[in-house]
Amino acid sequence: KAGVTQTPRYLIKTRGQQVTLSCSPISGHRSVSWYQQTPGQGLQFLFEYFSETQRNKGNFPGRFSGRQFSNSRSEMNVSTLELGDSALYLCASRAGTVGELFFGEGSRLTVL
Amino acid sequence: DQQVKQNSPSLSVQEGRISILNCDYTNSMFDYFLWYKKYPAEGPTFLISISSIKDKNEDGRFTVFLNKSAKHLSLHIVPSQPGDSAVYFCAASTGNNRKLIWGLGTSLGVNP
Repeated sequence: KAGVTQTPRYLIKTRGQQVTLSCSPISGHRSVSWYQQTPGQGLQFLFEYFSETQRNKGNFPGRFSGRQFSNSRSEMNVSTLELGDSALYLCASRAGTVGELFFGEGSRLTVL
Repeated sequence: DQQVKQNSPSLSVQEGRISILNCDYTNSMFDYFLWYKKYPAEGPTFLISISSIKDKNEDGRFTVFLNKSAKHLSLHIVPSQPGDSAVYFCAASTGNNRKLIWGLGTSLGVNP
């Protein structure tokens, strides 16, 4: 069974640009969560989607948004990029709304 | 306000010895706890979990202990192996939304 797939794996953007990251969950999983990981802050929860609806949201500004499609694939978008947005963005899926999360390898974003 | 705290940023042990990673939490409503392991440039992988109705859960070399009165859990790895060198994250959740709250991680180094 294929794992969680995130694209792109690496990307470089400049301040003010916007970026879209994609996540394909494990087949059959309907919940997708997004996390930001930075060295000093650990794993910071961004949001969770289940059946195309946002169930939970972390404490990030409105520049961070996401959505989930009917096939459970998810995208997250960051607009007006700032230097501090440089991080590893991790996507995780699970079958329902409880239980362990299965993570992808992440998308490494560098903002110059 | 860090609800889940891993107070040791790093830990070093000899191969074959026991590794003990600690995690403290402040929210007494947490009822499900998980440990994840993360290698560089990879997403976290699930290790072991424990429900608040138990005080111990064991899976091979990994055992998690939960002390609810002290709001403390620990992960024991016996015997430690060089391949266990990674960052270990503790996470907790509560309620129906099951949003995971993460610690900042402890970097474990196992020396041959």
